[in-house]
Amino acid sequence: DAMVIQNPRYQVTQFGKPVTLSCSQTLNHNVMYWYQQKSSQAPKLLFHYYDKDFNNEADTPDNFQSRRPNTSFCFLDIRSPGLGDAAMYLCATSLSLAEKEETQYFGPGTRLLVL
Amino acid sequence: SQELEQSPQSLIVQEGKNLTINCTSSKTLYGLYWYKQKYGEGLIFLMMLQKGGEEKSHEKITAKLDEKKQQSSLHITASQPSHAGIYLCGADAMYNQGGKLIFGQGTELSVKP
Repeated sequence: DAMVIQNPRYQVTQFGKPVTLSCSQTLNHNVMYWYQQKSSQAPKLLFHYYDKDFNNEADTPDNFQSRRPNTSFCFLDIRSPGLGDAAMYLCATSLSLAEKEETQYFGPGTRLLVL
Repeated sequence: SQELEQSPQSLIVQEGKNLTINCTSSKTLYGLYWYKQKYGEGLIFLMMLQKGGEEKSHEKITAKLDEKKQQSSLHITASQPSHAGIYLCGADAMYNQGGKLIFGQGTELSVKP
């Protein structure tokens, strides 16, 4: 009964080598989010998609990009990972943005290690 | 910008004891969420509070939002080892604009058998 699925759970990449993290959902939610959570810190929103509309947070580095080819899938691309990008990456979904206080459902996360 | 501060940052309790975690906002809360995170895993939704004075319970966990809507508390009764983890409060960053959540820094709970 998995609802928000993230693959892989653990990803090791080399400094500067592009890496892609994936997220899929079976909830048919309109909105998908990517958060970055560094050790012992709160999750920080990177960007979100409402359908195909992409919304980037002002302080999200250009090194981070995202793609949403269809409702179910969303990808996080890190073009040139640095050591500081090592973190847990959390994908979340919500039904809509139309109403406030919309619950977000999170996947299990992908832990990225940069060597 | 709105900020959420949780207290305590960490908590160790004996199994069977009650405990309370607090979440204080610098601005009025329009939607307050409690999540639980196990080590190295994603966030599990616990409860959402919207109205001042609202209180919700699920099993042994009760969450309240105060009347002024600037503080929430999470209370666990008769704690068990399964309650161990990191509890995060989250809030809508802007009124009437769902989507962007800001989080507190988390409270790490350990329950000693």
